[in-house]
Amino acid sequence: DAMVIQNPRYQVTQFGKPVTLSCSQTLNHNVMYWYQQKSSQAPKLLFHYYDKDFNNEADTPDNFQSRRPNTSFCFLDIRSPGLGDAAMYLCATSATAGELFFGEGSRLTVL
Amino acid sequence: ILNVEQSPQSLHVQEGDSTNFTCSFPSSNFYALHWYRWETAKSPEALFVMTLNGDEKKKGRISATLNTKEGYSYLYIKGSQPEDSATYLCAFTMDSSYKLIFGSGTRLLVRP
Repeated sequence: DAMVIQNPRYQVTQFGKPVTLSCSQTLNHNVMYWYQQKSSQAPKLLFHYYDKDFNNEADTPDNFQSRRPNTSFCFLDIRSPGLGDAAMYLCATSATAGELFFGEGSRLTVL
Repeated sequence: ILNVEQSPQSLHVQEGDSTNFTCSFPSSNFYALHWYRWETAKSPEALFVMTLNGDEKKKGRISATLNTKEGYSYLYIKGSQPEDSATYLCAFTMDSSYKLIFGSGTRLLVRP
């Protein structure tokens, strides 16, 4: 049974039209992450939460925001998607500084 | 800038061949090294998490070694099978941080 679920799996949006990607977990893990992966590149950490403590990477554009209303859910909001934001977005969780449990990803296409 | 390098970028082998790939990472302030397997249309899955210099871990036909002093890890697959075809990602953390920094992966294709 999937323990980290991302929705939608595929999202097509228009240039500038806001998008929200969601992630839910049944593992009750403290830490949740959002990674962006562009074709053949390393997954890049956008931000992570330890409980409600939000940690933004210095180079994450302001266009990207996140919310974690409770332990189980985390959202990635892209306020004004550009062509360069087309990517796979991976959500992951971990209990401590241990292994990550990933969702299947949300692939974003920007037209 | 902290960089994790993986080589080769891609690899095509014949079923039954043994293969290995490399992950290089900064050796200072090392905390842990992770290996993940990512099959197409699935979620990445953890293979190993290693923390000690000289660590060797094994899961079936797959094994990994760790050298924290020189900053590298090897992943070995013995007798590759088509179901081993996937992207293999390594990631490292420093100073017990929650941040994992990933390499770009090695894409393995095993031909029947």
